[in-house]
Amino acid sequence: EAQVTQNPRYLITVTGKKLTVTCSQNMNHEYMSWYRQDPGLGLRQIYYSMNVEVTDKGDVPEGYKVSRKEKRNFPLILESPSPNQTSLYFCASSLYLDSTDTQYFGPGTRLTVL
Amino acid sequence: ILNVEQSPQSLHVQEGDSTNFTCSFPSSNFYALHWYRWETAKSPEALFVMTLNGDEKKKGRISATLNTKEGYSYLYIKGSQPEDSATYLCASLSTNAGKSTFGDGTTLTVKP
Repeated sequence: EAQVTQNPRYLITVTGKKLTVTCSQNMNHEYMSWYRQDPGLGLRQIYYSMNVEVTDKGDVPEGYKVSRKEKRNFPLILESPSPNQTSLYFCASSLYLDSTDTQYFGPGTRLTVL
Repeated sequence: ILNVEQSPQSLHVQEGDSTNFTCSFPSSNFYALHWYRWETAKSPEALFVMTLNGDEKKKGRISATLNTKEGYSYLYIKGSQPEDSATYLCASLSTNAGKSTFGDGTTLTVKP
């Protein structure tokens, strides 16, 4: 089954404790992206990757890191989480994100930073 | 318009009503517009990809139009059903490849 998976689905942590949210897709997609969603707001893009070893900042990259060492994986790293990073996070992938592709979203990771 | 804006923010209609909402986006450097449907506790799912001025797309009772010159897209739902209740998101893609800017969504509630 074609899908985007994220782990963990729920995470409660404390300020400053490094964490990684994994994202994996099995569709051989070149494009992957991370978004965060906060109450009353739409999805805001954190980072995206057009291909392996190619990453770029979205609209809200501060406090996050990503890597794209393999096509299928795109982990989101919070080196020193803070309470303002409490949010719902979605990973998404697309074949190329060109004029015909839409994005396939993972199930979401709800993160709480105390 | 610098951001992607959607209106109204929320909408409550009766079953059987037809409804529409708007997505406004920057017309400069336009590349594509995506519509997504997002049900509570699920992930957003793609509805339409629109690229050309004057595009019209249809899927069942849902249709969308695109005006790239003035920077807006309309989403129409004909004869709304309770299962149409969801948040509808639009996302604008610019020629800056990879950047995808979402609006805040329109939340539709259809009462039986």
